[in-house]
Amino acid sequence: AAGVIQSPRHLIKEKRETATLKCYPIPRHDTVYWYQQGPGQDPQFLISFYEKMQSDKGSIPDRFSAQQFSDYHSELNMSSLELGDSALYFCASSGGGTGWDGEQYFGPGTRLTVT
Amino acid sequence: AQSVAQPEDQVNVAEGNPLTVKCTYSVSGNPYLFWYVQYPNRGLQFLLKYITGDNLVKGSYGFEAEFNKSQTSFHLKKPSALVSDSALYFCAVRDGRRALTFGSGTRLQVQP
Repeated sequence: AAGVIQSPRHLIKEKRETATLKCYPIPRHDTVYWYQQGPGQDPQFLISFYEKMQSDKGSIPDRFSAQQFSDYHSELNMSSLELGDSALYFCASSGGGTGWDGEQYFGPGTRLTVT
Repeated sequence: AQSVAQPEDQVNVAEGNPLTVKCTYSVSGNPYLFWYVQYPNRGLQFLLKYITGDNLVKGSYGFEAEFNKSQTSFHLKKPSALVSDSALYFCAVRDGRRALTFGSGTRLQVQP
């Protein structure tokens, strides 16, 4: 079965640079979520999109922005990168008939290292 | 605000023995509770969920969880642990949004 795809899997950037992470949800899923997991920490919700509109906002820094495109893929744009942005970034998707209480399916994550 | 707590950073169990990973929750309204597992350098994999119905929920890989409303707990269990079950386990609650709030995680170590 198709899973959530994230690219790139690894990314190394320097401070103050920008980065773009991509997420391709499971086909027919209508909701995409972004999470950030710092070293040894639990995943923290950043932002989500439902039917290409922002649906919820968590602890996403103002330096970050995201959008969901017409083909339902999503991109997380990160600017003025800081050392503290080094983390594993997960994308998850849900929908496809599971409804409000449906589980989320996570991608393998993008490991961002800021040097 | 809704939250979950995992009181144990690590749980050690011998292969073949039953295992329990603890989780307590704090929610307003009906809880939507989940367990996820994370293997090294991998994404989170869904194990099981409780929305309503039977207090004993069966999930993937032989795992089950018991919902206890009076104790506000949702402990993950497995009758017989495998070495391959060694991983990081997260309890999560779905809050008023569609996002998940995770516990701090419990590392399960199954010794052969």
